[in-house]
Amino acid sequence: NAGVTQTPKFQVLKTGQSMTLQCAQDMNHNSMYWYRQDPGMGLRLIYYSASEGTTDKGEVPNGYNVSRLNKREFSLRLESAAPSQTSVYFCASSAQGPSYEQYFGPGTRLTVT
Amino acid sequence: RKEVEQDPGPFNVPEGATVAFNCTYSNSASQSFFWYRQDCRKEPKLLMSVYSSGNEDGRFTAQLNRASQYISLLIRDSKLSDSATYLCVVSPMNTGFQKLVFGTGTRLLVSP
Repeated sequence: NAGVTQTPKFQVLKTGQSMTLQCAQDMNHNSMYWYRQDPGMGLRLIYYSASEGTTDKGEVPNGYNVSRLNKREFSLRLESAAPSQTSVYFCASSAQGPSYEQYFGPGTRLTVT
Repeated sequence: RKEVEQDPGPFNVPEGATVAFNCTYSNSASQSFFWYRQDCRKEPKLLMSVYSSGNEDGRFTAQLNRASQYISLLIRDSKLSDSATYLCVVSPMNTGFQKLVFGTGTRLLVSP
């Protein structure tokens, strides 16, 4: 039981490049989330998927797109990376709404130069 | 004003000490409260939920004060392994899907 897995662990992009961050969970959770964490700021919600087939914007969605590929997988895409997107990205999942415990993946450290 | 505010610390305490953190939240309609723990360069993990009546889990005690809109975490008999950042997390009451709001964290350093 791996929990929540994320790939890649580290990535360096040049401004304007695109990439997709992958996330998968094996806990049969309905809800999945993407956060970013920056120094001096709390985790901020980028996008979430309350259930398979639905996605919604969070607090900071600009510059990102998501796909809930199936119940297990939720990917985050940066179409044209900007230095302001340099951050640590965490994927999380929970059994129902976020009033239940969220389980986090190990994170992706992204640097955009 | 931030939705969830925490003293960033660091709180430096010796092993065996008792330490307490507070966290204030601005949305009086908030319904769910949590403390998460985050080790350096790792993912956050749930430490404990915070219930209206207060709750205890071993050396950890969490309290909620709705009137003053703050929650607290008390750690007794601190261990070296308690060194981490403690995140205060609140779930606001919105129509539809609820989202967690994270504080920036309070850093704890326990020394021998």
